Amino acid sequence: DVKVTQSSRYLVKRTGEKVFLECVQDMDHENMFWYRQDPGLGLRLIYFSYDVKMKEKGDIPEGYSVSREKKERFSLILESASTNQTSMYLCASSLIGNTEAFFGQGTRLTVV
Amino acid sequence: QKEVEQNSGPLSVPEGAIASLNCTYSDRVSQSFFWYRQYSGKSPELIMSIYSNGDKEDGRFTAQLNKASQYVSLLIRDSQPSDSATYLCAVRYSSASKIIFGSGTRLSIRP
Repeated sequence: DVKVTQSSRYLVKRTGEKVFLECVQDMDHENMFWYRQDPGLGLRLIYFSYDVKMKEKGDIPEGYSVSREKKERFSLILESASTNQTSMYLCASSLIGNTEAFFGQGTRLTVV
Repeated sequence: QKEVEQNSGPLSVPEGAIASLNCTYSDRVSQSFFWYRQYSGKSPELIMSIYSNGDKEDGRFTAQLNKASQYVSLLIRDSQPSDSATYLCAVRYSSASKIIFGSGTRLSIRP
């Protein structure tokens, strides 16, 4: 079975802190994604990566950056956390091709 | 215009009836289409994928795709209370590209 693991289930951070959300997949998937999910807005794509060190902006990249130094790991970085970044963050991975994405368990981030 | 649109619901269906969920997308070069189910507090899980026009059946679930109308739907037959969840439609444009989700439809199956 595909396993996508996010480093934290719940996280509370202070405004202005630099925050790292980590995601690891064990199926040698080329593509990895970061989404945030807010009530009524569905899943919105922040960034995705189609290969090591390769990344593309999604629909809402402002305030975020990403890092993919190894194929299995994709990190989301909040450079200076703000209260409007309080959300559920979901990582996903997929094979290259017209294939589905598999999700991690999610990280509920609260910025106070 | 949003890339992937769904009616947010809630959609209420009696147990045993057919639930019909709809999704439209804006980009004609979209190649693959997915339906995910998400229970409250859980991550999305894949129910169906469909790539070509027509119907695809898997148990109680049928996905329907009409590329000319840019429309994809999910039918759930013999609806059960355990089908109560949010259903997310997702579209992928090409092999290396992003997967875009709709905002989801909340489905409630009433006993």
